[in-house]
Amino acid sequence: GDQVKQSPSALSLQEGTNSALRCNFSIATTTVQWFLQNPRGSLMNLFYLVPGTKENGRLKSTFNSKESYSTLHIRDAQLEDSGTYFCAAEANTNTGKLTFGDGTVLTVKP
Amino acid sequence: DAGVTQTPRHEVAEKGQTIILKCEPVSGHNDLFWYRQTKIQGLELLSYFRSKSLMEDGGAFKDRFKAEMLNSSFSTLKIQPTEPKDSAVYLCASSLGGNTEVFFGKGTRLTVV
Repeated sequence: GDQVKQSPSALSLQEGTNSALRCNFSIATTTVQWFLQNPRGSLMNLFYLVPGTKENGRLKSTFNSKESYSTLHIRDAQLEDSGTYFCAAEANTNTGKLTFGDGTVLTVKP
Repeated sequence: DAGVTQTPRHEVAEKGQTIILKCEPVSGHNDLFWYRQTKIQGLELLSYFRSKSLMEDGGAFKDRFKAEMLNSSFSTLKIQPTEPKDSAVYLCASSLGGNTEVFFGKGTRLTVV
């Protein structure tokens, strides 16, 4: 949606390369979550972020609340990284309700 | 450690039928959410419960959609009567409450013919 703009909408990577996904927020955002939706439709949690940076294996994510954006960096992309990546903003409402971006469809090719 | 459990995983309904989707949140979680996912609209919030109380019922989805939470470990989403435009994936999620991490179930894929 307009409140959470995710880019790019689709991305094709060669195995072993690096890339970055981005979300820009037009709503006041307290925390950010990144998910990977697999072909079966399950939403897997990747990161839960307050302002700052987290790293997990080949993935690294940053949430900059002052500039209202978040990034997800993928290093050494593997075939199993393919799927749809969603970012979601939790607004400053203390409710846990998430506003989702439209997703980035990532295809990793051998 | 069980995550969010949704049943059934797939449902096919005829137009006009009543269907009930079920969700069990993560044990100990206080907040429960129902979302709908379609290719056109993406992920939209349908309902939100805190400690079994309905906090939000999703405005545009009020007329034929009813979510209930009779106890802290079980929620239902009733669609009555179903219409073909209701075909979507319905996702249930839960969290401890407030600004905490949200966990999703595997979803129910509903097809209305």
